[in-house]
Amino acid sequence: EDKVVQSPLSLVVHEGDTVTLNCSYEVTNFRSLLWYKQEKKAPTFLFMLTSSGIEKKSGRLSSILDKKELFSILNITATQTGDSAIYLCAVAHYKLSFGAGTTVTVRA
Amino acid sequence: DTGVSQDPRHKITKRGQNVTFRCDPISEHNRLYWYRQTLGQGPEFLTYFQNEAQLEKSRLLSDRFSAERPKGSFSTLEIQRTEQGDSAMYLCASSLGQGLETQYFGPGTRLLVL
Repeated sequence: EDKVVQSPLSLVVHEGDTVTLNCSYEVTNFRSLLWYKQEKKAPTFLFMLTSSGIEKKSGRLSSILDKKELFSILNITATQTGDSAIYLCAVAHYKLSFGAGTTVTVRA
Repeated sequence: DTGVSQDPRHKITKRGQNVTFRCDPISEHNRLYWYRQTLGQGPEFLTYFQNEAQLEKSRLLSDRFSAERPKGSFSTLEIQRTEQGDSAMYLCASSLGQGLETQYFGPGTRLLVL
């Protein structure tokens, strides 16, 4: 059965800090890894990663995948209070298998 | 709004009652997925459709659950004889279904079974 583990489970930072979120996985038939942001509603798509070592960036967020070591990281630089959310990692073949998420709280 | 929509957004029911949820996917998406999310957990896969065909059902989907997508557009998820353990957020997602899958989620239906 697919296994996706995120760490840490939660963290609290101050505005301006940088956070690094981890996602490790053990899946069969890996096709891609996705990151979502969830703020008391449905997950919103952030990134899809398919190739090792290629960083994807969107503003202050970036993510990279290591298919040899079976993990991905999501970085958020210069955090803002609006970054407070649950960040979900999922691996995909046809369905998504999610980790439990990392709850990020950014204090002003 | 061309995103995934779900109805109702909230549902409170008594144990033993039947409930039905609806999902309208993004119009050009031919894959539709149902997930369930409980507090502190990521969404768990329940079932998915390619057009009108239901291609997989999770073992989480007991006999009390049934999903349909009769015309390959909207889908319904019915729960019969609800139990308190069914209380959760039910999320619908859709994707193009052409290989690499970016799934876009609807706002969810939050179910509370009393």
